[in-house]
Order: sequence, then structure tokens, then C-alpha cells
Amino acid sequence: AQTVTQSQPEMSVQEAETVTLSCTYDTSENNYYLFWYKQPPSRQMILVIRQEAYKQQNATENRFSVNFQKAAKSFSLKISDSQLGDTAMYFCAFTGGGNKLTFGTGTQLKVEL
Amino acid sequence: NAGVMQNPRHLVRRRGQEARLRCSPMKGHSHVYWYRQLPEEGLKFMVYLQKENIIDESGMPKERFSAEFPKEGPSILRIQQVVRGDSAAYFCASSSQQGNSNYGYTFGSGTRLTVV
Repeated sequence: AQTVTQSQPEMSVQEAETVTLSCTYDTSENNYYLFWYKQPPSRQMILVIRQEAYKQQNATENRFSVNFQKAAKSFSLKISDSQLGDTAMYFCAFTGGGNKLTFGTGTQLKVEL
Repeated sequence: NAGVMQNPRHLVRRRGQEARLRCSPMKGHSHVYWYRQLPEEGLKFMVYLQKENIIDESGMPKERFSAEFPKEGPSILRIQQVVRGDSAAYFCASSSQQGNSNYGYTFGSGTRLTVV
């Protein structure tokens, strides 16, 4: 069974600074996909970024990038130039294909002035 | 395209009542997935349905919970005789292809069920 672990329940960052959220996972599969979702107070689940395990290049989406370390089973999210609107709960998620996503317990990020 | 629509957004039920949660998938999507988010936890898979068929219900509690996705109309997640432990946010997602979790899903805004 796959597991996803987010060891930082809460984090804070100053506006315009950079923050990194950690995620580790456990799987015996070789081909899989990893995601970061953002859940603002509105509760909407928003897909931030996606990484394919067979691609060595780290995914980037504007101010969001990942550090994917396959051997270490680590998938951290870096947010550059943090903005107040980035305040949200961030979930790391995994799928080996098929029909299910496995989520971590989330990291509450607060961006402060 | 209105996205995945869930209603109601908030639902309050007394213990022992029934809760019905509705999910209308994105236009053209015939695959629906239900997830539950308990307080302080991530989302957990409950059930995957195609039109008129339950494909995978491995995450559904054995009793009191059922789901359907009829040929016409929204998908319904039904919880009978609700208990306080059912209080959670219930999310629906949809896709146009089977096994499309590789691209992540488009989620609705969820229904927050509170059992009093």
C-alpha cells in the first residue's frame, strides 16, 4: 500500500520570501505520479503541480516548483515570491495509475506581511 | 464549462437522519469519484463510479453508505442513519477516462456534513 507523509503540520513565510513544503512517500511501484494540491479557505481543491516519476526533470509552474528525489522518495514543493493568496492548506498526493489518489495529511501555510 | 458541481455546500443532519450529497460531473465526463476529508486529515478515496455502475467501492464503509450514478442526473452519495463520526467534508471529482488519476482530478468544492 502506498503512503504519503507530510511532517510539517504548519508553516509560515513572509510575503515575497521562499518556502519549501516537504513530502515523502512510500511505494513499490516504479511508474507513478505525484501532485501538490492547494486548498484555500474556500475548500476548493486546486491542482498546483504534477510530476511524472519517470521524468528526471523537476516540474515547474510559474512560482511553484518541485524537488523530486526518486531514490529518497521525496517530493518537496517550493513556492517563490510568496503572496498572501498562497495562504492555504497544501496536500501532497500520489497515484500509481488507476483510479485512486492517496493524500498526505496536509501542511497549513500562512503567508504574512 | 461549470466544472464539478456539488450541492449542498453545507448540510446539517441530526443523528439518525439520512444525508444525500449530490455531484454533477464536468460536461462530457462519465467517471465520478468520491473522497472524504475528516477533520485534520487528507482526502481519502471512497468510491469510483461510471454511469450506472460501481467500479471500485473499496473505500466505502461497509454499512450505511451507498453511492449511485444514474444514467440521467447527478451522482448521489447517501449516508443512512448518520452518526457524529460522519461529520466531514465530502468531495467529488470527475474524469472523462477510466483510470485517469495520472493527471490528477478536477474536484468540486465539497459538501461539509455536520451531524448534530
